[in-house]
Amino acid sequence: GAVVSQHPSRVICKSGTSVKIECRSLDFQATTMFWYRQFPKQSLMLMATSNEGSKATYEQGVEKDKFLINHASLTLSTLTVTSAHPEDSSFYICSTDGASGTSEQYFGPGTRLTVT
Amino acid sequence: RKEVEQDPGPFNVPEGATVAFNCTYSNSASQSFFWYRQDCRKEPKLLMSVYSSGNEDGRFTAQLNRASQYISLLIRDSKLSDSATYLCVVNNAGNMLTFGGGTRLMVKP
Repeated sequence: GAVVSQHPSRVICKSGTSVKIECRSLDFQATTMFWYRQFPKQSLMLMATSNEGSKATYEQGVEKDKFLINHASLTLSTLTVTSAHPEDSSFYICSTDGASGTSEQYFGPGTRLTVT
Repeated sequence: RKEVEQDPGPFNVPEGATVAFNCTYSNSASQSFFWYRQDCRKEPKLLMSVYSSGNEDGRFTAQLNRASQYISLLIRDSKLSDSATYLCVVNNAGNMLTFGGGTRLMVKP
């Protein structure tokens, strides 16, 4: 399957600051990447679908002005959490589509964000 | 009602036991089905896809009942390393995955 990396793996920031998380597809050109959020003891919730060269599609309840997504190339999508608050503390995971014809997704290792 | 429902567990079983997890989904138009495994504080990893005819991969057997909108995962001869959370995942359209809440398995010596 595809290899997906995320950076940073862990970040602690102060309330009010912005944090950028990078998601890279290392061996696969991903026209579509997905961003998920997982709170403790809960399952993954899709936040947005990131499309290369166009605007991201956000799920209901996710503020597009707070969670800025940029997918400028086929191997990189970034998620910026702007003006972070403690309630934004979560595990953020990206994924890419699998090969054409399959509906599998390949996940990055995740970024654990703690906002103090 | 959640789109994908699972018993959260935990299921505490001894090594060597057989354990089964169930999952139900609400969207009858769902197209693809998967079981993912997630270890604590790690990303989900694909365990296996689930096909209508049922499929087996070593100690793991997955089955799908479209009429009942029900998916199952059977693990035989449980190992300590099987301890994890098992996520039932459904693909509805546009390659968007919907995750169940996960079932936690603890295999004890």
